[in-house]
Amino acid sequence: GIQVEQSPPDLILQEGANSTLRCNFSDSVNNLQWFHQNPWGQLINLFYIPSGTKQNGRLSATTVATERYSLLYISSSQTTDSGVYFCAVRMNTGFQKLVFGTGTRLLVSP
Amino acid sequence: GAGVSQTPSNKVTEKGKYVELRCDPISGHTALYWYRQSLGQGPEFLIYFQGTGAADDSGLPNDRFFAVRPEGSVSTLKIQRTERGDSAVYLCASGTGESTEAFFGQGTRLTVV
Repeated sequence: GIQVEQSPPDLILQEGANSTLRCNFSDSVNNLQWFHQNPWGQLINLFYIPSGTKQNGRLSATTVATERYSLLYISSSQTTDSGVYFCAVRMNTGFQKLVFGTGTRLLVSP
Repeated sequence: GAGVSQTPSNKVTEKGKYVELRCDPISGHTALYWYRQSLGQGPEFLIYFQGTGAADDSGLPNDRFFAVRPEGSVSTLKIQRTERGDSAVYLCASGTGESTEAFFGQGTRLTVV
């Protein structure tokens, strides 16, 4: 099956700092989503971005499907950004389940 | 509804007992997914419904696990003869189709003692 690797696995930031999270995948995809899992376990949709670039406030994401990676940018980080960030992808051949990456655990300290 | 709703939020059961977990998808969403997340891991796929039928149940770990969606809306995940290894957060998601954005509920934390 498709492999989804995220880096870095852990990240500690001072409030106000910027960061880039990466998601590499091993096959062609027709769906890529970024999620933030908050400390209560809720998976919050950040971006649905099978290709291209999107921005939402302090967050933006870019997916280069031909090179099989996606990047999530967090600018001016806040303590509420802490949690685990997952990317999840779906292959574009027939029905394929949404496969989650290994996650990046982010801690933003005040 | 406004979002995917899962009940109960928490369930503690004794080893060997039967449990049912419920998922109410977003109104109008035809695709429904069940995932399981163990501590420190990413969610793992269990089963996918398109309408009333299970289009892919390849993630169900064994025959103790079963899921239904009889009217194409609410789904129930059923676990027989629970084992301590079944302890995890069970997540449900829904979407408008199999290749579209999926939205997750808050999960049911199952603890088998």
